[in-house]
Amino acid sequence: GQNIDQPTEMTATEGAIVQINCTYQTSGFNGLFWYQQHAGEAPTFLSYNVLDGLEEKGRFSSFLSRSKGYSYLLLKELQMKDSASYLCAVRSPGNTPLVFGKGTRLSVIA
Amino acid sequence: DAGITQSPRYKITETGRQVTLMCHQTWSHSYMFWYRQDLGHGLRLIYYSAAADITDKGEVPDGYVVSRSKTENFPLTLESATRSQTSVYFCASSDYTGSGNTIYFGEGSWLTVV
Repeated sequence: GQNIDQPTEMTATEGAIVQINCTYQTSGFNGLFWYQQHAGEAPTFLSYNVLDGLEEKGRFSSFLSRSKGYSYLLLKELQMKDSASYLCAVRSPGNTPLVFGKGTRLSVIA
Repeated sequence: DAGITQSPRYKITETGRQVTLMCHQTWSHSYMFWYRQDLGHGLRLIYYSAAADITDKGEVPDGYVVSRSKTENFPLTLESATRSQTSVYFCASSDYTGSGNTIYFGEGSWLTVV
């Protein structure tokens, strides 16, 4: 079976840094994805990790520890437009579909 | 670049009626998926397809039927709609050429069953 856990909601201040955690227990592992989803819209791809370590992409970074079954998404210099849900998704080996966590709703306040 | 499109975007139907949600992609991606998204559950996989004429059940397939006669289309049919099928439905596609290959979502279809 697969289990992916994320906090349900988080609030952070404009200009600050926020870390959204994701833990997973899956039968096999072949990559972890982060998606952003604004209210009423489709999810859009943010980042991908398959090896341990940090992947940086502008204001967004994603970290993976396979031995701990743990990932986080780091958002720097928060902007109001970063208010959205952030979805963690895991792929198992083979051409298997992504399994998603329930998502973390981030509110950025002034 | 049309990408992946869903229709209808919004639909209200009555319990017991048959409803078909359409999904069309222009990328020639081999894989296509249907997810539903509900508060408290996140995105859950209904069905997916690896190629034309190949479909597989996901986590929540009951009450749904899919077909894939052409690579670019992947319709989802609710044979007899129930209130519990009120949800947002997302179609997605992917070209599974590597483990890092992401999936791309359509804009979603909001379905209300009354």
